[in-house]
Order: sequence, then C-alpha cells, then structure tokens
Amino acid sequence: DTAVSQTPKYLVTQMGNDKSIKCEQNLGHDTMYWYKQDSKKFLKIMFSYNNKELIINETVPNRFSPKSPDKAHLNLHINSLELGDSAVYFCASSQGHEQYFGPGTRLTVT
Amino acid sequence: QKEVEQNSGPLSVPEGAIASLNCTYSDRGSQSFFWYRQYSGKSPELIMFIYSNGDKEDGRFTAQLNKASQYVSLLIRDSQPSDSATYLCAVNDMRFGAGTRLTVKP
Repeated sequence: DTAVSQTPKYLVTQMGNDKSIKCEQNLGHDTMYWYKQDSKKFLKIMFSYNNKELIINETVPNRFSPKSPDKAHLNLHINSLELGDSAVYFCASSQGHEQYFGPGTRLTVT
Repeated sequence: QKEVEQNSGPLSVPEGAIASLNCTYSDRGSQSFFWYRQYSGKSPELIMFIYSNGDKEDGRFTAQLNKASQYVSLLIRDSQPSDSATYLCAVNDMRFGAGTRLTVKP
C-alpha cells in the first residue's frame, strides 16, 4: 500500500498553461505539505494544511493555489505556468515524528 | 524569518570512517529536529528524529542536539558507499536546510 501518492509523476507543459497535481495519503495523518525542490536540490516548503486548514503559506506566487477537500487529500493548482516553475514537487504528510513523502511530480515547463 | 542552515558540501569520507553532518537553526523555540536522507532521484526519507538535548543512537546513526547552541548534528559510523546521498536537516514545522551531499568512497 502506497502511503503518500501523487499524480501525475511527470508533467510536461507549455508556458501559460494551468495544471494540477494531486496528492493522497492513507496514513490518517492530520498534516499535509507541498514542497518544491529546484535544480539545486533545495527543498522549499510552500504550504501546509492541518485538518484541511491552511497553517503555512510561504511566499509563493499567488498563481499557486492549494486545496484540501478532506484530511487525506491535498491538491496543488498552478495557473499561468512559467519556466521557473520547472521543478520536482513533493507532497508529504506527518503526524508527530512521522513524516512521509510522496514520490514527487517532475514538472517541466517549456 | 526562520532559518535552517547546513553546509552544502560535498562531504567526502572513506569507507569505514565517521561522517559528521551539521545543522544550525535560528528559531530558539524549535522543539523537534529531523534528519532525512535523499538518494538522487528519490524522495526524502526520515532516518532520525530528536527532541531532547544530548545524543540519540540508532544503529550506525547518532543524532546530537544542543539547544543552547542551536545546532543539531548527525554522525554516521562505519560509513558505507550505500550511505552516499544528500542529508537534509528539518526542524519543527518541517522547514528544511539546503542539505549536505555525502559521498563515501570505497
């Protein structure tokens, strides 16, 4: 059973398009996250939700909008994609000292 | 701005040696500290967490926490080539440092 799953695994799209990445966890964790890992491998937190409530909203362009329909899901919608959005996006969930990452979504904007 | 700092490396050690990885943090209120390992092309995976000052050992790994000095370190004893990866430090709300790339040479 996959603990944290993301779809799609790869996403290639053109500048200006709108795309979504979906994340689901089956661990019963209360907290979920989105991270961006750029080509320099820095893992930057973007958003965090606890029980569907937004608790961390880092300085990211407002083209990025998270949505948590329930505790087990956290989706990321990106409007008007730019070249600089190319990165690997990781979803994660945590409870106490447990944290698990999804496999990542490699987004390439051309 | 809460910061987590790590030396980006790369750190290279011979097989069998002790690898020492360091992390400092700016938020004195931080209570929990985590070390992750990330192999190239893979997701980060949690290898250790520590909450209290002092040392915590798990197999070949030892995490050391000094809250007064605001640093946390990870020691890897008897380093193996399979330990070659990027090691990421995280605090509290899962903010990460830039990671230290470790290479263990046979």
